[in-house]
Amino acid sequence: AQKVTQAQTEISVVEKEDVTLDCVYETRDTTYYLFWYKQPPSGELVFLIRRNSFDEQNEISGRYSWNFQKSTSSFNFTITASQVVDSAVYFCALSDSNTGNQFYFGTGTSLTVIP
Amino acid sequence: GAGVSQSPSNKVTEKGKDVELRCDPISGHTALYWYRQSLGQGLEFLIYFQGNSAPDKSGLPSDRFSAERTGGSVSTLTIQRTQQEDSAVYLCASSLTLVRGRALEQYFGPGTRLTVT
Repeated sequence: AQKVTQAQTEISVVEKEDVTLDCVYETRDTTYYLFWYKQPPSGELVFLIRRNSFDEQNEISGRYSWNFQKSTSSFNFTITASQVVDSAVYFCALSDSNTGNQFYFGTGTSLTVIP
Repeated sequence: GAGVSQSPSNKVTEKGKDVELRCDPISGHTALYWYRQSLGQGLEFLIYFQGNSAPDKSGLPSDRFSAERTGGSVSTLTIQRTQQEDSAVYLCASSLTLVRGRALEQYFGPGTRLTVT
């Protein structure tokens, strides 16, 4: 069964718009970790955030915010006032005890911010 | 500090030849991962090393693929008798490991773009 689903393949927004990238995960574990990565056109994946399953507090970092909801198995990522530099592919990932230390990555959402 | 480094950055090889891809993880990181990313696709897990434990090879697509990690540091991914479908970007990542053996976030290298002609 697919562990991480990113249903949005591609999203385009106009600069300064807000955008939310969806991530739905599947696990039977009570202890797990969720991650978001950014892959800009240059290609190198950049770690953005790690969240453990016991911490449902939403997190904000500048224009980035994350909404973790265990009830819906979702870990969504919102960019406020998007900028052209936000254009990238964003990956959500899951690590749980069943996978050992293997990470399951979603298929990614390609975000294009139009100036 | 220095991040994960990979070499070469680009490799073009003829079908049937063997290739070796190198990964130098972040110093002190005990876990090392190899992934494959085909054009416009997500990340495909290949193999995982954790300290001196036996590697998790469950993602290797065929017996033409192998990897080793010497001295718990540098890793080499070898593809024998390359095929055109092996063309992809090969990414290496490393991470710290929690006391109970759970991995923290992975830090990725820039990748090696392999083209098999």
